[in-house]
This record gives sequence, structure tokens and C-alpha cells, in this order.
Amino acid sequence: DADVTQTPRNRITKTGKRIMLECSQTKGHDRMYWYRQDPGLGLRLIYYSFDVKDINKGEISDGYSVSRQAQAKFSLSLESAIPNQTALYFCASGLGGGETQYFGPGTRLLVL
Amino acid sequence: AQSVTQLGSHVSVSEGALVLLRCNYSSSVPPYLFWYVQYPNQGLQLLLKYTSAATLVKGINGFEAEFKKSETSFHLTKPSAHMSDAAEYFCAVSKSYNTDKLIFGTGTRLQVFP
Repeated sequence: DADVTQTPRNRITKTGKRIMLECSQTKGHDRMYWYRQDPGLGLRLIYYSFDVKDINKGEISDGYSVSRQAQAKFSLSLESAIPNQTALYFCASGLGGGETQYFGPGTRLLVL
Repeated sequence: AQSVTQLGSHVSVSEGALVLLRCNYSSSVPPYLFWYVQYPNQGLQLLLKYTSAATLVKGINGFEAEFKKSETSFHLTKPSAHMSDAAEYFCAVSKSYNTDKLIFGTGTRLQVFP
């Protein structure tokens, strides 16, 4: 079984809709991360969490919110989706402090 | 601020040829440097990591990278390419003041021809 899972794997939504992307990890890591990947831009950090009570903005947090429901679960919400949020979204977990981050398989989101 | 540049968005090699993927970081030495690989329709997987213990770092699948402070580089190499190496490769650095924050390069897509 995969250590970091994401649901859904693919999602199509319309402008203005609220959607949630979910992430779970079984590695027992405290740190969890959300990134988006756009062609030619690499990965950019949206939010990260040190633990359930500690959530921090990344480089591109505008238009997004997150919730850390438990150590193992970290969800990303788009309150009102817009077309330029069409991207591939990755969740990751890790021990922090420069240790390896483990990535999920990604969620491909299309906003029409 | 930390930054990373990957030269060449696409690299093509023949099977058995040397693979060289270039990565340069900003002038301030980051605590950690990484190479990740992304196979089609998959998430990123760590290839190797530099943590100042040794300048030549060996990773999985025969890849290695050498940290060169004088050149601010951390290029990825493999002596002999396999078809299975075809993927996208990302160099990343950690921020000095917050090593949880990774700054990724824009990626290099490696094609391997028979």
C-alpha cells in the first residue's frame, strides 16, 4: 500500500465551486505539505503543517485553505475555484529538518 | 533568497550514454540539496540528497551528484542511461532559515532513445 495517498486522483470542476482535495499518510510523520505543479514552473509550496495545531502558508497560499484533521490527514480546499488553479496537486509528508519528503501520486484538477 | 536553476528543460540521450542533468543554486550555500525523479503519472521520488557529509552523493538506480561550492552546482549524472530512466527530474534546495521549505527547479525531462 502507498504511504501517501490522495483523493481524488482526477477532478473536473467549474469556476466558483468549492472543492476539497484529501491526503492521508501512514508513515507517522508530523510534517505534511501541499504543492502545486504547473508545466515549466516546477513545484511550488502552498501550505505546510508541522503538526495538527501548526499550519503555515507557503509561497502561493492565496485562494487556498487547509485543514489538518489528524496527524495522518491534511486536506486542501479551493474556496471558489478559478481556471488558473488548474494544475497537478501533490501532497507530501516528512520528518522536517531537511529530511526526505514523501510524495503522493497527485491530483489532477481542471477548473472550467 | 534561495533559488535553483535547472539548465535545459529537455535532455535526450541514447541508451548506454552518459546522463548529465544540470542544477545550479543561489550563491548562499543551502543546508540541503535534493534530486527528485517523477515517472509518468506518479508522484516525486527521492533520488539522492546532499547534507554536507560528503560532496559526492550516490543515489538510487545508479545516479550520483557532486556538490561543487566553487561552481554553486549540484549536477546529476549516470554513466549509462537505461530506457527506464526516462522521466522528469527536479533539483531542489531547502531554505536556510526553514529547512522544511523546499525550492524546486523547473524540471528537466529526460528522454532515452534505443
